[in-house]
Amino acid sequence: GAGVSQSPSNKVTEKGKDVELRCDPISGHTALYWYRQSLGQGLEFLIYFQGNSAPDKSGLPSDRFSAERTGGSVSTLTIQRTQQEDSAVYLCASSLSREEFFGPGTRLTVL
Amino acid sequence: RKEVEQDPGPFNVPEGATVAFNCTYSNSASQSFFWYRQDCRKEPKLLMSVYSSGNEDGRFTAQLNRASQYISLLIRDSKLSDSATYLCVVNIVPDKLIFGTGTRLQVFP
Repeated sequence: GAGVSQSPSNKVTEKGKDVELRCDPISGHTALYWYRQSLGQGLEFLIYFQGNSAPDKSGLPSDRFSAERTGGSVSTLTIQRTQQEDSAVYLCASSLSREEFFGPGTRLTVL
Repeated sequence: RKEVEQDPGPFNVPEGATVAFNCTYSNSASQSFFWYRQDCRKEPKLLMSVYSSGNEDGRFTAQLNRASQYISLLIRDSKLSDSATYLCVVNIVPDKLIFGTGTRLQVFP
């Protein structure tokens, strides 16, 4: 079956613009995670959705970041008024039990 | 203190060598432990879970020491294809995974 997909694969934007990143999890997976990985760095947890529970937003670095998960499936991560330090690879993962399956990521470059 | 700490490396080893990585975690309530592998510019993928009694998968052996709060990964008979970054991962209730920054391994001919 299909794995986790993310779009776009690459996004170049200008400082101050808003961007939306999309994640399509594996069908039936109840948990969905967003992470950020800067060049040569580890994975930074951003937000976690589990079923119908309130999302764990504890990793969002500022109020410019928000995420939604519609219908328990597709998720969108929105970054408003992008800054250069937002440049990173944004990874989405989904899981049914404990193993997380990652998408290929969206490489965001803020000029 | 970081929740999960790893030596970033790089560990440069010749083919055939045995190499071990350690990882420490700070939350004693952590329940599940994993090693993920991440190839350059690729997404992380699960390598193996880590069980209390220790477990082996081919050339890979994972061990957990709850008392000292560390996890280890041993790779025997290293192959060139083992070159990657190895991420230590800890599951904190409820089902939130915390990733270490990874240990980079480079196997040379």
